[in-house]
Amino acid sequence: QQPVQSPQAVILREGEDAVINCSSSKALYSVHWYRQKHGEAPVFLMILLKGGEQKGHEKISASFNEKKQQSSLYLTASQLSYSGTYFCGTVYSGGGADGLTFGKGTHLIIQP
Amino acid sequence: NAGVTQTPKFRVLKTGQSMTLLCAQDMNHEYMYWYRQDPGMGLRLIHYSVGEGTTAKGEVPDGYNVSRLKKQNFLLGLESAAPSQTSVYFCATTQSSYEQYFGPGTRLTVT
Repeated sequence: QQPVQSPQAVILREGEDAVINCSSSKALYSVHWYRQKHGEAPVFLMILLKGGEQKGHEKISASFNEKKQQSSLYLTASQLSYSGTYFCGTVYSGGGADGLTFGKGTHLIIQP
Repeated sequence: NAGVTQTPKFRVLKTGQSMTLLCAQDMNHEYMYWYRQDPGMGLRLIHYSVGEGTTAKGEVPDGYNVSRLKKQNFLLGLESAAPSQTSVYFCATTQSSYEQYFGPGTRLTVT
């Protein structure tokens, strides 16, 4: 069962902040975040593990709320290079060797 | 290092034809995956392999078969292509079931 991402799309001005949410109806073991540029392959951003702490990568960070089975991706002071489609991928049992279940994606457009 | 490569990059098939997509990795990873990506649907797992000689079904396996005879290669086969299989196909690999490394994709059109 696919996780639900929100919003479906967002348009920002350069320098503004954005939050992308990923919710699951099933208990999560981990959440992965990927970014995909048009015509390219998805690229890994970060992973949030159950019981783990908030992760960060420069101005992109994420959190994992185990009680709500939800993860949020935070993009601070967005740059033009942040444009793309963001996907969360979920793992429902330990390990994750059996692949990820991806949400439908959030389209992010950053305007100058 | 090439990382993860996919062959071919583009292909047009007629309904009923067969083809094989090849994924090759030089990262010595144990786990390999085939996903398909359709507009508005995200990526969906077709089949996966946790090691040489092993394969398992993912979320949308119907109409596809796979083989992993060598650790570095994962083949995806379409025995009788259908228009519903028009999609972009991505292969991915990982060693520790953490970060997945994706290939560049194969764009397949079935007419």
